[in-house]
Amino acid sequence: DSGVTQTPKHLITATGQRVTLRCSPRSGDLSVYWYQQSLDQGLQFLIQYYNGEERAKGNILERFSAQQFPDLHSELNLSSLELGDSALYFCASTLSPYSGSQNEQFFGPGTRLTVL
Amino acid sequence: GQQLNQSPQSMFIQEGEDVSMNCTSSSIFNTWLWYKQDPGEGPVLLIALYKAGELTSNGRLTAQFGITRKDSFLNISASIPSDVGIYFCAGMLTGTASKLTFGTGTRLQVTL
Repeated sequence: DSGVTQTPKHLITATGQRVTLRCSPRSGDLSVYWYQQSLDQGLQFLIQYYNGEERAKGNILERFSAQQFPDLHSELNLSSLELGDSALYFCASTLSPYSGSQNEQFFGPGTRLTVL
Repeated sequence: GQQLNQSPQSMFIQEGEDVSMNCTSSSIFNTWLWYKQDPGEGPVLLIALYKAGELTSNGRLTAQFGITRKDSFLNISASIPSDVGIYFCAGMLTGTASKLTFGTGTRLQVTL
């Protein structure tokens, strides 16, 4: 158990809908990262937050947004869903926003999103 | 998005055999990480490497940070059935952000 929690575990919805995925980082970690894992694109970095502020953006669509709240949990919002958004969405956390020793990313169990 | 090249893509081995896999990139990284992912689960960190040429072990696992900083290698000795899974390398550049760039994965299956 990495200490990172994600809810829900599974989510099934229809095209055009909007969903919210939730992540709670490990106790003490201030930075949260979101990744998408699909069959054709593999694991791709979406966005990083540190202490409530956006730090880095990756291949995140404009239909997707995220935020980190004062209690440090984070939510990833996916709107106008398309079939191609079906994927596993992972959250990871670290203490510091910077890379380096003792600041490795630990991943949550993921949310499997299925868009029908 | 960018993905690092991992080889082999998949491998079937017998219990007790040693396994080697590698990961290559067209650009340099300051940090290399190796993760294992079981079906339906999140990636679990196995080994982290921070210096070119570094060789680090974690039990039966040994990983190396390539001298060119564009590659990394993972070896598993005396494989056991629970080694089954997908192994991912990930590279990271130090700086203001620490996003990971993942490899394409190596699927390992171990037969008794």
